[in-house]
Amino acid sequence: GAGVSQSPRYKVAKRGQDVALRCDPISGHVSLFWYQQALGQGPEFLTYFQNEAQLDKSGLPSDRFFAERPEGSVSTLKIQRTQQEDSAVYLCASSQGGNKETQYFGPGTRLLVL
Amino acid sequence: QQQVKQSPQSLIVQKGGISIINCAYENTAFDYFPWYQQFPGKGPALLIAIRPDVSEKKEGRFTISFNKSAKQFSLHIMDSQPGDSATYFCAAFRGAGSYQLTFGKGTKLSVIP
Repeated sequence: GAGVSQSPRYKVAKRGQDVALRCDPISGHVSLFWYQQALGQGPEFLTYFQNEAQLDKSGLPSDRFFAERPEGSVSTLKIQRTQQEDSAVYLCASSQGGNKETQYFGPGTRLLVL
Repeated sequence: QQQVKQSPQSLIVQKGGISIINCAYENTAFDYFPWYQQFPGKGPALLIAIRPDVSEKKEGRFTISFNKSAKQFSLHIMDSQPGDSATYFCAAFRGAGSYQLTFGKGTKLSVIP
């Protein structure tokens, strides 16, 4: 596709619900990243995939956060038992081949946990 | 510990003026420094980037100045326009087995007519 796409764009969840956020990277991009952006802050790294392999999940804030990319293209970020502090914009980015530094971001999913 | 410090937090510039945003970093292992522009409701868009072996890079009205010894870099927007009004983030990337961009906290730029 022309760019990174994410869905849904907005998600409202009640505290304790599970949510799943989807990312479609730029076609052919091997590397995929998830970031969390709190209101008024810069994005913070969550996790990284190279193809289907999750090579770094050091930024995931708790074991309630889980990400997968089973076929090396689309990725899903799942948050179990959502808490109010999970409210943020979740950004997905992708990059070509070995060039992990030049990352192209999607529009994000704004999650509000009530 | 905040690895990339960005200032100012907000900036108001008149149309036609120069906007200057500054960033400082601590980790000398960083080897790639991009700037991103973000409009409300949108994801960050890559604007311009520099490596530490270059002191300046210019693309159109946007220039990055890099001072390796001071561990500082800055974004200059010449002839600022109202359409430049957005939040700007500096970031840093450490190669050699790292995968993440480390972002500053952002600068909200408002260009007034």
